[in-house]
Amino acid sequence: GNSVTQMEGPVTLSEEAFLTINCTYTATGYPSLFWYVQYPGEGLQLLLKATKADDKGSNKGFEATYRKETTSFHLEKGSVQVSDSAVYFCALTSGSARQLTFGSGTQLTVLP
Amino acid sequence: DTAVSQTPKYLVTQMGNDKSIKCEQNLGHDTMYWYKQDSKKFLKIMFSYNNKELIINETVPNRFSPKSPDKAHLNLHINSLELGDSAVYFCASSQNSVTEGKLFFGSGTQLSVL
Repeated sequence: GNSVTQMEGPVTLSEEAFLTINCTYTATGYPSLFWYVQYPGEGLQLLLKATKADDKGSNKGFEATYRKETTSFHLEKGSVQVSDSAVYFCALTSGSARQLTFGSGTQLTVLP
Repeated sequence: DTAVSQTPKYLVTQMGNDKSIKCEQNLGHDTMYWYKQDSKKFLKIMFSYNNKELIINETVPNRFSPKSPDKAHLNLHINSLELGDSAVYFCASSQNSVTEGKLFFGSGTQLSVL
């Protein structure tokens, strides 16, 4: 079956620090990969996605590259801001799956 | 205009009661979902409907019953509430296949069972 493993949080960084949140996956076939973000008190929003190997998804300064050889999709940002404080979820869907499989979420707190 | 709206936002109730959470989407999407998020932020899918037809029914106690009167609405009714039902419940929708991966989430209903 499909599964997603994310690095455990919480992660606390100072403003302008470099961010990496690790995500690895197990899937049948060729999955599509996603990062969702959940700001406090809100529902999840799609942040970025990649649908095939070596694709790079990017949005709002965040990037993630689909690495088939290492089955990974790590989220990175060069300089985080306080407003990036949120919970980040890695997710995938593949084959005939009718749902997204989410990782356990990583809480990020950015301090001024 | 809110794309996916859920009501109520907060629900506090006693064990054994029956309660409902309503969800509506104005995006014209064909598929709607209910997710449960526990206190550790772990998200678990409960149900999915496509054009009013149930397509995903995960291992959820039969005290939980979804109802989709039309494709823009998916309500969740919970009978005989238990302490372990306390969580945040999210409604979501997507257009056609989930392969696109773009789900639109409501802002959640915080359910507290006392």
